[in-house]
Amino acid sequence: DGGITQSPKYLFRKEGQNVTLSCEQNLNHDAMYWYRQDPGQGLRLIYYSQIVNDFQKGDIAEGYSVSREKKESFPLTVTSAQKNPTAFYLCASRYPSGANVLTFGAGSRLTVL
Amino acid sequence: GNSVTQMEGPVTLSEEAFLTINCTYTATGYPSLFWYVQYPGEGLQLLLKATKADDKGSNKGFEATYRKETTSFHLEKGSVQVSDSAVYFCALSDRRNSGYALNFGKGTSLLVTP
Repeated sequence: DGGITQSPKYLFRKEGQNVTLSCEQNLNHDAMYWYRQDPGQGLRLIYYSQIVNDFQKGDIAEGYSVSREKKESFPLTVTSAQKNPTAFYLCASRYPSGANVLTFGAGSRLTVL
Repeated sequence: GNSVTQMEGPVTLSEEAFLTINCTYTATGYPSLFWYVQYPGEGLQLLLKATKADDKGSNKGFEATYRKETTSFHLEKGSVQVSDSAVYFCALSDRRNSGYALNFGKGTSLLVTP
């Protein structure tokens, strides 16, 4: 079945450590996205990529980094510069049609101890 | 950029009650509008969408109409079930420097009791 796979589902890290969240899709979508979800704040856009080897900062990019070396993969690194990294992270990809529909993965919950 | 505001929850209803979750938007141009649903511990699933004024999106008994005159996209369902308990997000498309993204409201938690 086609879809988006995020791993790990749960991750615990000590303060000051970098951590990389994986996002893989087999939908053949060009555009991919990372959102952060906090209770009561909805989803906020971290980074997005419209095509391989290109990505753009979203609304809350500080303390995060991404790469897009393959169409299928869009990993997100949460660096030690991110002041409040504990959150639920959602990866998505966009259908190539004009309706801008996003398909989401199941999410990764990062807890920094 | 474009933004949405949706009613805060939590909303608690009895089974078979009528549901309305309000969503209004601020936008330049004519964005596409969406409702997504999130069940506990999961990602978001598209519930319905509308791409132009007066369009009605519908799915699984839920409906929402794109109202340009009131800049609204309220979600309705005539008779809710316990299985509808989830968090509902209103969203709209936003043209960015490079391509498009979706901007989301803060979410409305719905609890349906038997």
